[in-house]
Amino acid sequence: GAGVSQTPSNKVTEKGKYVELRCDPISGHTALYWYRQSLGQGPEFLIYFQGTGAADDSGLPNDRFFAVRPEGSVSTLKIQRTERGDSAVYLCASSSQVAGGQETQYFGPGTRLLVL
Amino acid sequence: GDSVTQMEGPVTLSEEAFLTINCTYTATGYPSLFWYVQYPGEGLQLLLKATKADDKGSNKGFEATYRKETTSFHLEKGSVQVSDSAVYFCALSDPGTGGFKTIFGAGTRLFVKA
Repeated sequence: GAGVSQTPSNKVTEKGKYVELRCDPISGHTALYWYRQSLGQGPEFLIYFQGTGAADDSGLPNDRFFAVRPEGSVSTLKIQRTERGDSAVYLCASSSQVAGGQETQYFGPGTRLLVL
Repeated sequence: GDSVTQMEGPVTLSEEAFLTINCTYTATGYPSLFWYVQYPGEGLQLLLKATKADDKGSNKGFEATYRKETTSFHLEKGSVQVSDSAVYFCALSDPGTGGFKTIFGAGTRLFVKA
């Protein structure tokens, strides 16, 4: 079956602009996660959704970052007033159930964001 | 807070050599431990996992044992292949902090030469 998909695969923008990154999870997966991976680093947690609600947004770096999942499926990560330091690969993952962290997360290919 | 430390790369080996990538962790609760792999041009994928102390995760010839006493989860493979060249990430999720976020190490790049 289809895996996690993310669009666009690459995004180049100018400092100060607004961007939206989209994640389409595996069908039926109730949990959705966003991570950010800077060059040479491991993924860093941003936000976790269970259904439509953000159950944990403690990883969002500041109020320029916001994410939504209005129907409990597709999610959009929104970044306002982009800065050069926001350049990274943004990863989305989904999983089928909540089980105290033991469920397998399936990752998408990522969106590579470059802020000039 | 919770953290994962893994050996720095790159690690360069000849085909059929023995591989060890060290990983240690700090956690407030009793975490689940994971190894993820990222092949060139591909997304992250789960390689193996262990959910409690003394569990051994294994997949594709790779193994790692959850050692609570040394807070370690070292990745091993007896005979690497060129196709194992990738970046390997050690990770944990901790029920003590909600268990939903996964905390990753910085990654170790492995090059295997023919």
